[in-house]
Amino acid sequence: SQTIHQWPATLVQPVGSPLSLECTVEGTSNPNLYWYRQAAGRGLQLLFYSVGIGQISSEVPQNLSASRPQDRQFILSSKKLLLSDSGFYLCASDRGQETQYFGPGTRLLVL
Amino acid sequence: AQKITQTQPGMFVQEKEAVTLDCTYDTSDPSYGLFWYKQPSSGEMIFLIYQGSYDQQNATEGRYSLNFQKARKSANLVISASQLGDSAMYFCAMRGPRYNFNKFYFGSGTKLNVKP
Repeated sequence: SQTIHQWPATLVQPVGSPLSLECTVEGTSNPNLYWYRQAAGRGLQLLFYSVGIGQISSEVPQNLSASRPQDRQFILSSKKLLLSDSGFYLCASDRGQETQYFGPGTRLLVL
Repeated sequence: AQKITQTQPGMFVQEKEAVTLDCTYDTSDPSYGLFWYKQPSSGEMIFLIYQGSYDQQNATEGRYSLNFQKARKSANLVISASQLGDSAMYFCAMRGPRYNFNKFYFGSGTKLNVKP
């Protein structure tokens, strides 16, 4: 079965600072990769998904961006963080019609 | 458009009793998948159970079963013999239609509290 790693686990950043969250997947190849954000006590909002290296689809216009430099690596970035970027960020992976598997998440607090 | 609705923001259940978490969905595509996830306080999303739209029988996984009523577009999760460790947020999700199967649609979640 596949394993998804995310780091860092927790991050506190000032407004206007850059961001880089990393997600790596083990135990599978050619996965679809996803970034979700979850506000406190809320459901999941899909931010980006990728079906292959260099292929990124954005679901919500915002100051975040995503990149997929390798098959099993997915990165979420921002040049300048906003207060509203605070939340819990989850990376997920799947192989088409199967269920999505999630990483442990990164808690981001922007002050 | 696809949509998932969970109308119970919070629920309580006595330990060892069964509980049903409601989920309704909306889609015009005949092919779709329905999923339930558990999210404990640690935050990780744990896959529980899956039901395909063409599956004839309700899915079961241990103490979890999915009450799939296609005509009513409902996919309720039933947890039998609740345990204290079942206390968590539960999310219903649907995979998008064939032309957009990369999208997962999540409900707003139900917070389940199991009382000793």
